[in-house]
This record gives sequence, C-alpha cells and structure tokens, in this order.
Amino acid sequence: DAGITQSPRYKITETGRQVTLMCHQTWSHSYMFWYRQDLGHGLRLIYYSAAADITDKGEVPDGYVVSRSKTENFPLTLESATRSQTSVYFCASKTIFTDTQYFGPGTRLTVL
Amino acid sequence: QQQVKQSPQSLIVQKGGISIINCAYENTAFDYFPWYQQFPGKGPALLIAIRPDVSEKKEGRFTISFNKSAKQFSLHIMDSQPGDSATYFCAASLWTGANNLFFGTGTRLTVIP
Repeated sequence: DAGITQSPRYKITETGRQVTLMCHQTWSHSYMFWYRQDLGHGLRLIYYSAAADITDKGEVPDGYVVSRSKTENFPLTLESATRSQTSVYFCASKTIFTDTQYFGPGTRLTVL
Repeated sequence: QQQVKQSPQSLIVQKGGISIINCAYENTAFDYFPWYQQFPGKGPALLIAIRPDVSEKKEGRFTISFNKSAKQFSLHIMDSQPGDSATYFCAASLWTGANNLFFGTGTRLTVIP
C-alpha cells in the first residue's frame, strides 16, 4: 500500500527554469492538494483539485500551474522558477467522506 | 494575513510534564480544527481534531480544549515523552467539500529526557 508519494524528494534548479513536482496517490481519493511550507508561515495552500479536470486556487497560487488528467496524479509546475519559490512542497489527499487530509513525504526545492 | 495564529514558536518540556500549545482564529465560519504532528523529513499527520460543538476532546495523552467565545483552541500533551518531540501545527477550515486548511505557523516541541 504505497499511499501518497512525491517525486523528486529533492530538487535544485536555477531561476527561470521550468520545474514539475509529481504527486501520486493509490487510494482513489477525490481531493488532492498542494501546500508549501516555509519557516514562519506554516503550510499554505497553493492549489487543490476536487476531481479529475477540476482544479482551483488556494492562498498562494501565483507562479504555479496544476493539472489533473487522472484521479491519482496531481502534478505541480513552476513555469519559471524564482528564488522565492524555494520551499518544501507537500501534496495531500482526502476522500469526500472525511475531513482528514493525508500528506505525502514532501519535496525540498531549492531555486538558485 | 495569518488566519490562524499559533504560539509559542518553540517549547521545551521535561519528560512527564505537560505541553501546551495555543491557537487563535478570527473567522467565525471555521468549523473544523485539527492538529497535525510533523517529524523531521516527514509530512504532517493528523493527531487529533475537534468541531466547535464540543469544548474538549481527548485521545490518549492528547487533549484539545476549545473556547468558541474567545475563538481559541489549544493542544495539551499530558505526560510528555521524548518521542513527542516534533513540530505541531494547528489548523482551521470551513465546512466545504474540500475543507481547505488554514495552518498556524507551527510549534517545535522538544521533550527533554
């Protein structure tokens, strides 16, 4: 039972490059979320998705793009990475029946 | 603007002591208040949660106290153990399908043996 996985776990990139962070869940959860975690800010919601092909903005969506063509995958793309996007990114998922969000192990992204 | 304010930022407690972490919110429409526990290098995991129709919820050594009129809630860890050393996040959400969470800034708890 793999649960929710993220790849890569660590990524270093340069300013202006495009980066895609992957999230995969094996539970068939309807909802999926992307958060970023920064010291002094806790976790902040970037985007979320209620189902395949349904996505919506969270608190801090600027500079990010998401898609969800399959229920199990929810990739997050930084189209032109900036240093302010250096962060730890967490993917999460939940069913429509409960409030509990289940988090992946995170991706540490450094933008030089 | 931080929707949920959390304090303290860090906390050091002796083994066997009580750890208390406090959170406050402004939006009276919030109706779900979870606490998440995060160990280094791991994702957050739900520890315990409460809805505003009760004033207290206890699960083992962990208790949430909720004060609706003051718009505050707190996590109490009784008989704190070194294994409880982690970062704790409070959060709040509106009752919608997605239950988007607004997190506090986190408290790093260290329990000294």
